[in-house]
Amino acid sequence: DADVTQTPRNRITKTGKRIMLECSQTKGHDRMYWYRQDPGLGLRLIYYSFDVKDINKGEISDGYSVSRQAQAKFSLSLESAIPNQTALYFCATMAGETQYFGPGTRLLVL
Amino acid sequence: DAKTTQPPSMDCAEGRAANLPCNHSTISGNEYVYWYRQIHSQGPQYIIHGLKNNETNEMASLIITEDRKSSTLILPHATLRDTAVYYCIVRVYDYKLSFGAGTTVTVRA
Repeated sequence: DADVTQTPRNRITKTGKRIMLECSQTKGHDRMYWYRQDPGLGLRLIYYSFDVKDINKGEISDGYSVSRQAQAKFSLSLESAIPNQTALYFCATMAGETQYFGPGTRLLVL
Repeated sequence: DAKTTQPPSMDCAEGRAANLPCNHSTISGNEYVYWYRQIHSQGPQYIIHGLKNNETNEMASLIITEDRKSSTLILPHATLRDTAVYYCIVRVYDYKLSFGAGTTVTVRA
């Protein structure tokens, strides 16, 4: 089984809809991250969490919110989706110097 | 964090060594050099990191110049499965990574 899982893997939604992307990990890591990737570009950090009570904004947090429900779960929400949030979203955990990424969620906002 | 400069793309012959350069001329003394790769649209994969000494693991070698202004990732015997985007990242030990556009490496048979 994968150590970092993301659901759904693909999602199509409409402008203005609320959507939640979920991330679960079995690695027991405290640090978790959400990134987005646009075509041909690198990853940009949205939010990160160092433990259940610690949530921090990344470089592009506007339009997004997160919830750290437990050590193993870190959810990303788009309260009112807009087309320029169409992207590939990655969740990651970190231990030591290494980040471990999930398989990604491909989101299309129409 | 210090910015990095990588060539946008490079080709490599299968079985040969692939040498991927990265410039980080504004790096400061406490910033590490990290390398990740992303195969197609999968999640990035950690390769190696270092501070000032050369490093080697089962995947690659990292050569950092003495002035630390540049580094080279070496894949000793490239295979078709090494075709990917390779990211050079420089950061302080603060648990955040900033990915640029990377180098698209194509390994040809």
